[in-house]
Amino acid sequence: DTAVSQTPKYLVTQMGNDKSIKCEQNLGHDTMYWYKQDSKKFLKIMFSYNNKELIINETVPNRFSPKSPDKAHLNLHINSLELGDSAVYFCASSQARSNEQFFGPGTRLTVL
Amino acid sequence: GDSVTQMEGPVTLSEEAFLTINCTYTATGYPSLFWYVQYPGEGLQLLLKATKADDKGSNKGFEATYRKETTSFHLEKGSVQVSDSAVYFCALSDQGYSTLTFGKGTMLLVSP
Repeated sequence: DTAVSQTPKYLVTQMGNDKSIKCEQNLGHDTMYWYKQDSKKFLKIMFSYNNKELIINETVPNRFSPKSPDKAHLNLHINSLELGDSAVYFCASSQARSNEQFFGPGTRLTVL
Repeated sequence: GDSVTQMEGPVTLSEEAFLTINCTYTATGYPSLFWYVQYPGEGLQLLLKATKADDKGSNKGFEATYRKETTSFHLEKGSVQVSDSAVYFCALSDQGYSTLTFGKGTMLLVSP
């Protein structure tokens, strides 16, 4: 029944590793997003996809690469992880032309 | 660019007290305005929204009115409960595919 789900919920890894976070939505939405929440709770958009096409790509290191295999999925792959990548990453989705977004539970990434 | 400014927290209240969390915004167009709530360890949930000037959003006893003349969208509740303890985010979204621009969040702590 979960509308927007993310896996894993927690991710602890070493600097320099490559990791992926997966997101799935069952709401039939065609736009999906990745947000980063830092340790001070500040939320910032990273990427937005509409119908599997990248439409927004904020200033994010190119170590971060989103992939959308279909409308219901938006995965985030991170190469060469750095300490500063530690954060909570939220996936969200919305219907096109609607600015009401539904958020997943978040993935807490800790880079050691 | 667009921006949202919220009052700094934490806001500490006793149960049944009146709550106000201030939010002002800067936007070039006519944005929609939102309040999201994040309970401890969870993702963001939409609390209420307003899409045009003078609209009032309301949900679960919370209210906010879209004031174009003062570019504000203050959140209010007449009588808070311990279960309202959470982080509250004010956000705006321009039309189309635009993403949400969030304020920095305000933590609310309600004691019995």
